Amino acid sequence: DGGITQSPKYLFRKEGQNVTLSCEQNLNHDAMYWYRQDPGQGLRLIYYSQIVNDFQKGDIAEGYSVSREKKESFPLTVTSAQKNPTAFYLCASTLIITAMNTEAFFGQGTRLTVV
Amino acid sequence: KNQVEQSPQSLIILEGKNCTLQCNYTVSPFSNLRWYKQDTGRGPVSLTIMTFSENTKSNGRYTATLDADTKQSSLHITASQLSDSASYICVVSLRSNDYKLSFGAGTTVTVRA
Repeated sequence: DGGITQSPKYLFRKEGQNVTLSCEQNLNHDAMYWYRQDPGQGLRLIYYSQIVNDFQKGDIAEGYSVSREKKESFPLTVTSAQKNPTAFYLCASTLIITAMNTEAFFGQGTRLTVV
Repeated sequence: KNQVEQSPQSLIILEGKNCTLQCNYTVSPFSNLRWYKQDTGRGPVSLTIMTFSENTKSNGRYTATLDADTKQSSLHITASQLSDSASYICVVSLRSNDYKLSFGAGTTVTVRA
């Protein structure tokens, strides 16, 4: 089955620690995205990537980093510089970034909690 | 200020009843509007996607309408089922930057037997 896989489903981070969230897709999609979801708010864009080895900051990139070494993979690192990392993180992908009716497919999410 | 406003924030309905969710947006120029269903602790799943030239689109018991002049959309759920309990998110994209999706905060629907 094609789709987007995020792992782990739950992640706990200690103060001052970096953690990496995995996102893999086998849909052959060009563009991949990371969003953060907080209670009562809409999804906010952290980073996105249109092609391999290229990515751009979204609206709330501070304290996060990404890489796109392979088309299928777009891992997100939450660094110690992110002061309020507890949230639900969603990865998404689209076939062509500028197509009008491009459908966005989402992973199942990773819930990150600071302990 | 969020460019996509949804109402109500939450609602409770009895199984078998209908309900309508509202979405007002200020995103311009507008490309398309999407409705997603998100179960608790899961990723959103697409229900409908409409361009600015479309007025209505259905997906089973879900019917979305769009009025691009007033910048309003609605999602109507017919004959609700317990499995409809979820958050419903309205998403609007700009015409020139499809990657720039503006998300509403969602409406939480609870269906009770």
